[in-house]
Amino acid sequence: DIVMTQTPLSLSVTPGQPASISCKSSQSLLHSDGKTYLFWYLQKSGQPPHLLIYEVFNRFSGVPDRFSGSGSGTDFTLKISRVEAEDVGLYYCMQSIQFPFTFGPGTKVDIK
Amino acid sequence: QVQLVESGGGVVQPGRSLRLSCAASGFPFGSHGMHWVRQAPGKGLEWVAVIWYDGSNENYADSVKGRFTISRDNSENTLFLQMNSLRAEDTAVYYCARDLAVTEDGLDVWGQGTTVTVSS
Repeated sequence: DIVMTQTPLSLSVTPGQPASISCKSSQSLLHSDGKTYLFWYLQKSGQPPHLLIYEVFNRFSGVPDRFSGSGSGTDFTLKISRVEAEDVGLYYCMQSIQFPFTFGPGTKVDIK
Repeated sequence: QVQLVESGGGVVQPGRSLRLSCAASGFPFGSHGMHWVRQAPGKGLEWVAVIWYDGSNENYADSVKGRFTISRDNSENTLFLQMNSLRAEDTAVYYCARDLAVTEDGLDVWGQGTTVTVSS
């Protein structure tokens, strides 16, 4: 199985400041079809996860443009340009290039 | 709007069975692969199973293979998860989720989840 790791596991951010989360996979997520199957989700307390970024850098419908994704191969980053109070929660990366799909352990983001 | 509503969770004894359902609305259900993902209490996310848009292909996590069966009824816009031989470690919130693609690409929309507790 592909192992997904995230750093840091916990992040406390001042509102208005940037934040960055790293995700690394144990194998390349670049498929022969040219797509890279790396997704980012946010799970707020008591809610299901919701999709932020798909295939590394594509923002899902309705996701604010302060969220951006980058990376390639095995190394990926989610950036929040200016953290807002509503951004608190657990952030997960997920790979879907190979079964079983696997998630990172999650990064808890809270507000200072 | 796109909506997924799970049902069928509950408390069940080890070794027994349970069938989860996920009612879909607001999108062409038969044009998307569908998944089940679970989350044990206080833990992270674990992908469970996927079924292609037409039901022609399925895939399972090793932890549930041979015990769980994913299926769908496109005429009723409903996804199912038949869970047999349940174990304590199957205790979790079970989410259904839509795939971006007709087969498998990644999960975009998630339901609110239904809770399964396996306990004697």
